[in-house]
Amino acid sequence: SAVISQKPSRDICQRGTSLTIQCQVDSQVTMMFWYRQQPGQSLTLIATANQGSEATYESGFVIDKFPISRPNLTFSTLTVSNLSPEDSSIYLCSVVQGVSYEQYFGPGTRLTVT
Amino acid sequence: AQTVTQSQPEMSVQEAETVTLSCTYDTSESDYYLFWYKQPPSRQMILVIRQEAYKQQNATENRFSVNFQKAAKSFSLKISDSQLGDAAMYFCAYSTSGTYKYIFGTGTRLKVLA
Repeated sequence: SAVISQKPSRDICQRGTSLTIQCQVDSQVTMMFWYRQQPGQSLTLIATANQGSEATYESGFVIDKFPISRPNLTFSTLTVSNLSPEDSSIYLCSVVQGVSYEQYFGPGTRLTVT
Repeated sequence: AQTVTQSQPEMSVQEAETVTLSCTYDTSESDYYLFWYKQPPSRQMILVIRQEAYKQQNATENRFSVNFQKAAKSFSLKISDSQLGDAAMYFCAYSTSGTYKYIFGTGTRLKVLA
């Protein structure tokens, strides 16, 4: 299975600022996803990061708030913009290798907005 | 739209005993995949087991097995010989064939008592 790293592992940010989270995979992967996990809650899919094109966002998530880049098959970034306390969550990236439908997750980034 | 329901917010099991976590789902699709993921306090999501809907045989991985009832849309996880390291949040997830996107249940927190 793929080995996935995320940076930063945690951060505390001021309201109104932005945080960019990096997701690095040790091998080329077909699909990458970004999830949000609010405190004590389940995972909610934010978007699918498409290599070489715009991300595909789920209902309730917009590009202006969550811009995503995927410059190649091993790397993606998620930016959470104009932060508010409601954005305090764990953000996770995941990847699919081949056609197995199994997703492998990064360790997550814990964001606290003050 | 597909939904995944985990009706047990929390479960406890004595070490070395067996526990079953419940998951039901709703879909009109005939081809899909079901998963159980484990999320320890370290928050790294770990794939426990996978079941393809077209397979009648229940999946098994060492001490973990599932009871997949397609007609009833039920997908329970049985953990045998429970160990302290099994303590975690367990999430049931669904993916329609061809989409690769997951829908997660709300999770069940499993406590293992020594």
